[in-house]
Amino acid sequence: EADIYQTPRYLVIGTGKKITLECSQTMGHDKMYWYQQDPGMELHLIHYSYGVNSTEKGDLSSESTVSRIRTEHFPLTLESARPSHTSQYLCASRPHGTLNNEQFFGPGTRLTVL
Amino acid sequence: GDSVTQMEGPVTLSEEAFLTINCTYTATGYPSLFWYVQYPGEGLQLLLKATKADDKGSNKGFEATYRKETTSFHLEKGSVQVSDSAVYFCALIVYNTDKLIFGTGTRLQVFP
Repeated sequence: EADIYQTPRYLVIGTGKKITLECSQTMGHDKMYWYQQDPGMELHLIHYSYGVNSTEKGDLSSESTVSRIRTEHFPLTLESARPSHTSQYLCASRPHGTLNNEQFFGPGTRLTVL
Repeated sequence: GDSVTQMEGPVTLSEEAFLTINCTYTATGYPSLFWYVQYPGEGLQLLLKATKADDKGSNKGFEATYRKETTSFHLEKGSVQVSDSAVYFCALIVYNTDKLIFGTGTRLQVFP
């Protein structure tokens, strides 16, 4: 069973607020990912990391930023939330190497910006 | 580029009906193929996977066979249950890359 956690699970916030979505995994995985899932269900990669101090932008441009100071922690921050940021955010991780290329997903954070 | 195409939903079935969700892919390399399932209000869970041609992934009564000649990985289940109601995502990752490429998802609704 995957041990990857996201908090909060649900967040309703006003426009202009700064928010941080937390993601932690206890599996020692090097690689971590953030996906944005729109109401139509499609998943878009917005950030990923290969390890500590490594962060890369994904396929979908996002105003959010990420950091990777510790292996187990990969938080996502929005400096000034807007209604267009309303979405479900999914964090994932996987171990280094190509043999075990399954990604393990957290339960997601559903963000609503009013 | 690499892509995954899966049938649009929703797929609506009665309990115990046979399920097929079609998935085809385009890949420049030699991909591994996955089916993920997302139950309401939850994240994605790996349902099954196959890493080479003719491999059959199976789990919880679901099966999918990696068909290189037709570039397909169709999901099947012989007898669905109400608890199978969820969104199903077909995905691929090309060998030695790091990006999981998803299809758009297919919603399955099973009624008693």
